[in-house]
Amino acid sequence: NAGVTQTPKFQVLKTGQSMTLQCAQDMNHEYMSWYRQDPGMGLRLIHYSVGAGITDQGEVPNGYNVSRSTTEDFPLRLLSAAPSQTSVYFCASSYQGAFNLGEKLFFGSGTQLSVL
Amino acid sequence: AQKITQTQPGMFVQEKEAVTLDCTYDTSDQSYGLFWYKQPSSGEMIFLIYQGSYDEQNATEGRYSLNFQKARKSANLVISASQLGDSAMYFCAMREDGGFKTIFGAGTRLFVKA
Repeated sequence: NAGVTQTPKFQVLKTGQSMTLQCAQDMNHEYMSWYRQDPGMGLRLIHYSVGAGITDQGEVPNGYNVSRSTTEDFPLRLLSAAPSQTSVYFCASSYQGAFNLGEKLFFGSGTQLSVL
Repeated sequence: AQKITQTQPGMFVQEKEAVTLDCTYDTSDQSYGLFWYKQPSSGEMIFLIYQGSYDEQNATEGRYSLNFQKARKSANLVISASQLGDSAMYFCAMREDGGFKTIFGAGTRLFVKA
């Protein structure tokens, strides 16, 4: 099983450039989310989705867009990259159908993004 | 609003000894779930243990146990018989019932000494 697949693993951008971080899962999970990890701040939720066509903001949504056209894919878009968006980005998914609180998150391997 | 606090940025423990990693949380919900994840130097996120707010027993998974004190709103992770491979970053996380978001604390970096 592939699980949660994130691409690319590394990316360097110049300020003002745009890019899309890709995330795909093959576990038929309804819930997908994006986090950013910064030293001393843990993982902060950017955006999340509870199904195709449904997205919502997390703790730090500014500067990021998402969409969910299929169950499998949840891309994260940076429209105009800024140095403050230099971070490690994780995509995570889980099964939420039964609203079981104990459903753990499955994580991708992360994307290390540097904005110069 | 839900919040997770981990007050120990770094911890040292001698190999084969037990160690407790602290986690306190804030929520107005009565029903919620608490999680611990491990992040080794490779960067992957590994699920360790889960505790539901209505679970009467403290959760255990092998060498990991969760010291859940509901009135104090704390969910400390206890690792028994530490191993060198336990050196990693550890994150406490919470999900509220009826909500979809899982919120993480800042993490604690654990160093196991030989």
